[in-house]
Amino acid sequence: DAKTTQPPSMDCAEGRAANLPCNHSTISGNEYVYWYRQIHSQGPQYIIHGLKNNETNEMASLIITEDRKSSTLILPHATLRDTAVYYCIVRGVGTYKYIFGTGTRLKVLA
Amino acid sequence: GAVVSQHPSWVICKSGTSVKIECRSLDFQATTMFWYRQFPKQSLMLMATSNEGSKATYEQGVEKDKFLINHASLTLSTLTVTSAHPEDSSFYICSARALLSPTEREQFFGPGTRLTVL
Repeated sequence: DAKTTQPPSMDCAEGRAANLPCNHSTISGNEYVYWYRQIHSQGPQYIIHGLKNNETNEMASLIITEDRKSSTLILPHATLRDTAVYYCIVRGVGTYKYIFGTGTRLKVLA
Repeated sequence: GAVVSQHPSWVICKSGTSVKIECRSLDFQATTMFWYRQFPKQSLMLMATSNEGSKATYEQGVEKDKFLINHASLTLSTLTVTSAHPEDSSFYICSARALLSPTEREQFFGPGTRLTVL
């Protein structure tokens, strides 16, 4: 399973875009990149996922580099409620297991 | 959207007792469920993969006789912590894999169960 590397923490001003990077240099061609977030003492919440192309939904945008070795999750207008730990996960081929890394603790500042 | 529930949401028990945690997919069938454990300020650690009607597959270092997993139906998996000790105190989270294509979201997480062993 490909491993992911994320910065341990980031701060973002409320109303600004939050850009969370993730490195997954060992990703295979058919492995998906998933992003989840976890607010304290709750189960992880799905945000977005993608394979090659950039993706956008009502929560966020996902930018995957052409070589697929890294990706960036963009929260376009961060709010205080977006304060959470964000996990970038590469889904194992055939097993569907999620191996969580250490994640990025995002703090949105008023 | 698909919902996964866990029961109980929190439990306190005495050392040496066994505790059962239920994970249910409320509006979809889940052929595969996953169990995670999370200690304070740490990431989620996958404990085991549970497939309906077959034995669970445990991750390396997880004691299968300590953490009994049963997945008897397509909507219910249970995790039993046997002879619990204080070091088993943790946040236990399950997820359920829905039968969707790879381009759609596949796993749905429960809200977690907080176990405290006294």
